[in-house]
Amino acid sequence: GDSVTQMEGPVTLSEEAFLTINCTYTATGYPSLFWYVQYPGEGLQLLLKATKADDKGSNKGFEATYRKETTSFHLEKGSVQVSDSAVYFCALSALRGADKLIFGTGTRLQVFP
Amino acid sequence: ETGVTQSPTHLIKTRGQQVTLRCSSQSGHNTVSWYQQALGQGPQFIFQYYREEENGRGNFPPRFSGLQFPNYSSELNVNALELDDSALYLCASSSQGGVNTEAFFGQGTRLTVV
Repeated sequence: GDSVTQMEGPVTLSEEAFLTINCTYTATGYPSLFWYVQYPGEGLQLLLKATKADDKGSNKGFEATYRKETTSFHLEKGSVQVSDSAVYFCALSALRGADKLIFGTGTRLQVFP
Repeated sequence: ETGVTQSPTHLIKTRGQQVTLRCSSQSGHNTVSWYQQALGQGPQFIFQYYREEENGRGNFPPRFSGLQFPNYSSELNVNALELDDSALYLCASSSQGGVNTEAFFGQGTRLTVV
């Protein structure tokens, strides 16, 4: 069945460092891909999405490009801030929208001043 | 603030008991999905309700059941609780269909089974 694999955390960075969190997927068809963020004590928030190959999702300085040839959707940010500390989840949906999502195990990001 | 509210926020139950969790969907949304998030894991899809009917189910046993009401709020019921049911239960509301469908998550109910 469909699945998502994320790099294990925690990822520990200093403020203003470059961030990459790897995500690869297995799916039949053409899934939509998502990154969600979970801050301590809160629910999930959509960070960005891409619905077809070569699409780039971006939000709040974060970017991810839907790469069908490598079945990847890596999350990047050029300069992280302490406030970016959270758990990041990569997810896919077999449908075009955020429906019946399949999540990775999450990657905890810790940013220190 | 997503407008999706879940209750209660925390509860503790004993193995073998039954529990009901509640979710109020965001205004204008007709679809509610439930997810189970075990500690240190990603959320897993339990089932979805669309216009009061179950519309897809993940790999969960029948003792996990749900309801959706005419106002599109929803309940998740779990019978015969097991220790492994301890998790954060997330509800997500959305409008059905379309590439721009977005799921808005509540803050979750943390269930502890002892």
